[in-house]
Amino acid sequence: AQSVAQPEDQVNVAEGNPLTVKCTYSVSGNPYLFWYVQYPNRGLQFLLKYITGDNLVKGSYGFEAEFNKSQTSFHLKKPSALVSDSALYFCAVRDQAGTALIFGKGTTLSVSS
Amino acid sequence: DAGVIQSPRHEVTEMGQEVTLRCKPISGHDYLFWYRQTMMRGLELLIYFNNNVPIDDSGMPEDRFSAKMPNASFSTLKIQPSEPRDSAVYFCASSWEGHPYEQYFGPGTRLTVT
Repeated sequence: AQSVAQPEDQVNVAEGNPLTVKCTYSVSGNPYLFWYVQYPNRGLQFLLKYITGDNLVKGSYGFEAEFNKSQTSFHLKKPSALVSDSALYFCAVRDQAGTALIFGKGTTLSVSS
Repeated sequence: DAGVIQSPRHEVTEMGQEVTLRCKPISGHDYLFWYRQTMMRGLELLIYFNNNVPIDDSGMPEDRFSAKMPNASFSTLKIQPSEPRDSAVYFCASSWEGHPYEQYFGPGTRLTVT
């Protein structure tokens, strides 16, 4: 069965520092991987996706993610964190049927000024 | 475009009452998804539709839950009877055939069952 794991419930970084939010996956077949962000009292917003091609994918708001097949990881990164990046981040994988998404538990990112 | 619209934004009801949540997807989108979010269980997919047809309802917790999509611009999620453990934020999301995984989420309905 398809699944993703986000090993950290919370990540704390100082503004201006690089940030990484971790995600590992387990899939049958080729992985379709995604990151979404949820700001307080809002619905989720799509950030970026990996389906095929370059292992480093760029997304919205300066975020990028690195696909690593050997480590079955898809970590979200940003070179310089902003306080406004503070939010709940979800990693997701396409389900076996190929249409719906299976979301991880989420990681709360807190960026301090 | 106004985005995905959900109503009501907040609902407080007593155990045993019927609750109906409503969703208007983005015009032109072919897929509609209903999710439930709780602290304990995270974000769970309940059911999704493609071109108004239910495709997978395996996430619907039990027979008390039902969902319909009578047309391309409207869907409902009904809970009858409601129970305190149904308290959660319910999200509706939509996407289109060209990019089915780029889902657009509504603001959610926060349901409290007392």
